[in-house]
Amino acid sequence: DIQMAQSPSSLSASVGDRVTITCRASQSINNYLNWYQQKPGKAPKLLIYAASSLQGGVPSRFSGSGSGTDFTLTISSLQPEDFASYYCQQTYSIPYTFGQGTKLEIK
Amino acid sequence: EVQLVETGGGLIQPGGSLRLSCAASGFTVSSNYMSWVRQAPGKGLEWVSITYSDGSTHYTDSVKGRFTISRDNSKNTLYLQMNSLRAEDTAVYYCARSRIAVADPLDYWGHGTLVTVSS
Repeated sequence: DIQMAQSPSSLSASVGDRVTITCRASQSINNYLNWYQQKPGKAPKLLIYAASSLQGGVPSRFSGSGSGTDFTLTISSLQPEDFASYYCQQTYSIPYTFGQGTKLEIK
Repeated sequence: EVQLVETGGGLIQPGGSLRLSCAASGFTVSSNYMSWVRQAPGKGLEWVSITYSDGSTHYTDSVKGRFTISRDNSKNTLYLQMNSLRAEDTAVYYCARSRIAVADPLDYWGHGTLVTVSS
């Protein structure tokens, strides 16, 4: 199975900050990497697919990059509604594993 | 509008069975990859199973031989039959649709249904 190591596991930041979350795959997954946001008690929401493509309706302050084994999710200027948990997921091979998540909290 | 609505969760004793349903609207289940993802209380997301549009199915190792994913095209509904349930299967179960795009992202999710396995 492909392991997805996400870091950090938690992060405190302020409104307006630039934030980067990383995800590292245990083997190359090309660009088969998606990012999701989840708020408490809610279903996850797709943000970025295929490593760098922005899902429709998602604000442009969210961006993704990377290929192979190393990927990043960047939020260019944090807004109050961005405080949530974030997960990466590889869909290169079964089982389609998720990272352990990053909880983004208000400083 | 695309919607997914899960039902069928509840409290079940270890060793018991449950069938989860996911009623879809706004698209055709048979034309898309459909997945189940679960989340144990206070934990992260765990991919459970997928059915492809050709009918093939795959599972995470911990549920192989116990869970079965299926769909009823006439009802436009996805199912997850869960047998021999264990305490570690306790979680919110989400059904999700894969967008037809590179990396098959899960673009629509249901609200989830809670399964609690306990005596």
